[in-house]
Amino acid sequence: GEDVEQSLFLSVREGDSSVINCTYTDSSSTYLYWYKQEPGAGLQLLTYIFSNMDMKQDQRLTVLLNKKDKHLSLRIADTQTGDSAIYFCAESILTGGGNKLTFGTGTQLKVEL
Amino acid sequence: DTEVTQTPKHLVMGMTNKKSLKCEQHMGHRAMYWYKQKAKKPPELMFVYSYEKLSINESVPSRFSPECPNSSLLNLHLHALQPEDSALYLCASSQDWTNAYNEQFFGPGTRLTVL
Repeated sequence: GEDVEQSLFLSVREGDSSVINCTYTDSSSTYLYWYKQEPGAGLQLLTYIFSNMDMKQDQRLTVLLNKKDKHLSLRIADTQTGDSAIYFCAESILTGGGNKLTFGTGTQLKVEL
Repeated sequence: DTEVTQTPKHLVMGMTNKKSLKCEQHMGHRAMYWYKQKAKKPPELMFVYSYEKLSINESVPSRFSPECPNSSLLNLHLHALQPEDSALYLCASSQDWTNAYNEQFFGPGTRLTVL
């Protein structure tokens, strides 16, 4: 099947904004999520967006959703070194009686001083 | 308590060994999941338990055998693994996987090496 696509790598300077993009596959996904994974750790939910919204802001995080193009983005304002991690988008797909998550390929964010 | 715990943190096993991975949550969640994650790759779903019953098996080889003894515990029994099974095994839980909003809480994972 199709993959949920993300660009592999993003490098930014501390204090700049970061924008991570995601193209998902299922237009019927009701919720879309952004997870963060630090080295050697599990995944941590950062934020999510309901499919009938086109934007959601949560402190330094802004999520934009373009349903027509199945495109999702995560903007991190004032990026800090602690934001260095791998970021995964995930779509929720109804299957087998429940909602399973399919993760994107992941974007490694490196924040330089 | 919003934590999912996993033991052991690291595991090295031979191809003839039998071992088990354990996962525990005390958030009252009724759905629990096993994922396999290779380096620099996204997590891949293996199994879903809903209300202690197996709901999804993503065509996982029988050398991986899940078990859900109660609503707080999830085990993954390993037997006759192959070196390509070496990976980070992540456990997750969520309130109820039939909910449209299905936030999953992840444990830190078990780093498995098969020699």
